[in-house]
Amino acid sequence: EAGVTQFPSHSVIEKGQTVTLRCDPISGHDNLYWYRRVMGKEIKFLLHFVKESKQDESGMPNNRFLAERTGGTYSTLKVQPAELEDSGVYFCASSQAVRDTGELFFGEGSRLTVL
Amino acid sequence: SQKIEQNSEALNIQEGKTATLTCNYTNYSPAYLQWYRQDPGRGPVFLLLIRENEKEKRKERLKVTFDTTLKQSLFHITASQPADSATYLCALENSNSGYALNFGKGTSLLVTP
Repeated sequence: EAGVTQFPSHSVIEKGQTVTLRCDPISGHDNLYWYRRVMGKEIKFLLHFVKESKQDESGMPNNRFLAERTGGTYSTLKVQPAELEDSGVYFCASSQAVRDTGELFFGEGSRLTVL
Repeated sequence: SQKIEQNSEALNIQEGKTATLTCNYTNYSPAYLQWYRQDPGRGPVFLLLIRENEKEKRKERLKVTFDTTLKQSLFHITASQPADSATYLCALENSNSGYALNFGKGTSLLVTP
């Protein structure tokens, strides 16, 4: 069974440019999460989809970040325009059930560097 | 505010010894607590979940305790091996925010032969 896959693994862009990160969750997982880790800090929650609906987007830093999950399958996270402080590793995770075990399956992350 | 605190300093131990990592939390009333392992350049991998009504849980060489009075979890690796070297993350659900998991910064463990 394929795990959570993320693309690209690494992206280097200049301040002001746009980047779109993609996440393919494990097949059948209704819950999809985006997290971010900036250097020296903990992994921080960004938002949570249940199927195609945003369940919780309280962690999104600002309106430069836009997440979508069309058809309840893969998800994209767009940063437009990117700022220096957006640099970090963006992780996607998926799970089958909320609050049953709560176990999350993570992708390998997309490292974003904004110059 | 809610906090999850893990030993910020790296833990260095000799192969064969028991590693003990600590997770303390404030302003959470978690139904469960989870531990993850993260290797450099990789995503976190789930290890164990312990529920609020469980004092202790074991899985092979791993043992987790959960004291909701002390607001603390201890994570033990017995008979440690160099392959156990990684960063270990403690995670709690944020009941204020749709039950998404919040993570501590993690403790880096280095097991030397």
